[in-house]
Amino acid sequence: AQSVTQPDIHITVSEGASLELRCNYSYGATPYLFWYVQSPGQGLQLLLKYFSGDTLVQGIKGFEAEFKRSQSSFNLRKPSVHWSDAAEYFCAVGAGPTGKLIFGQGTTLQVKP
Amino acid sequence: IAGITQAPTSQILAAGRRMTLRCTQDMRHNAMYWYRQDLGLGLRLIHYSNTAGTTGKGEVPDGYSVSRANTDDFPLTLASAVPSQTSVYFCASSVGSSGANVLTFGAGSRLTVL
Repeated sequence: AQSVTQPDIHITVSEGASLELRCNYSYGATPYLFWYVQSPGQGLQLLLKYFSGDTLVQGIKGFEAEFKRSQSSFNLRKPSVHWSDAAEYFCAVGAGPTGKLIFGQGTTLQVKP
Repeated sequence: IAGITQAPTSQILAAGRRMTLRCTQDMRHNAMYWYRQDLGLGLRLIHYSNTAGTTGKGEVPDGYSVSRANTDDFPLTLASAVPSQTSVYFCASSVGSSGANVLTFGAGSRLTVL
């Protein structure tokens, strides 16, 4: 069965520090992978997606993610975190023909000044 | 502004009552979805609709029903609410209905069942 695991429930980084959020997936075929961000009290916004091709994908707000098939991972990175990046981040895999997404549990990012 | 409108934003409901969460999109997207978000569990799919007139069950459909009479509207009904249905509910839509489609989300409806 398809699944997504985000091992880190909560991460705290200092402003200006680098960030990596982990995501591991289980899916039988080539996955469609997504990262979404949710600011407090808001809906989810797409950060970036991977469908095929270059395994390093760029997204909005300076985020990037790398697809590693051998590790079944799609980790999200940002070289320098800003206080406005504090939010909850969700990794998701597109599952089959229904278009539904399977989400990970989410990682809450706190940014220290 | 194009997007998804959900109503109500927040609601407190007595157990056993019937409740309908409304969702309207103005993007002419074919597919629509209802997710619930619970702490530590991420988002779980309740029901979906690939096109007007069709619906399907997601991961956690029990206690919920949906209808898709037209392209724009996708209401979610709790026939007899129970406390375990306390959650934040998100409606979403996408142009098509494959795993490669990007979802657009509404702002959510926070429901508390007492």
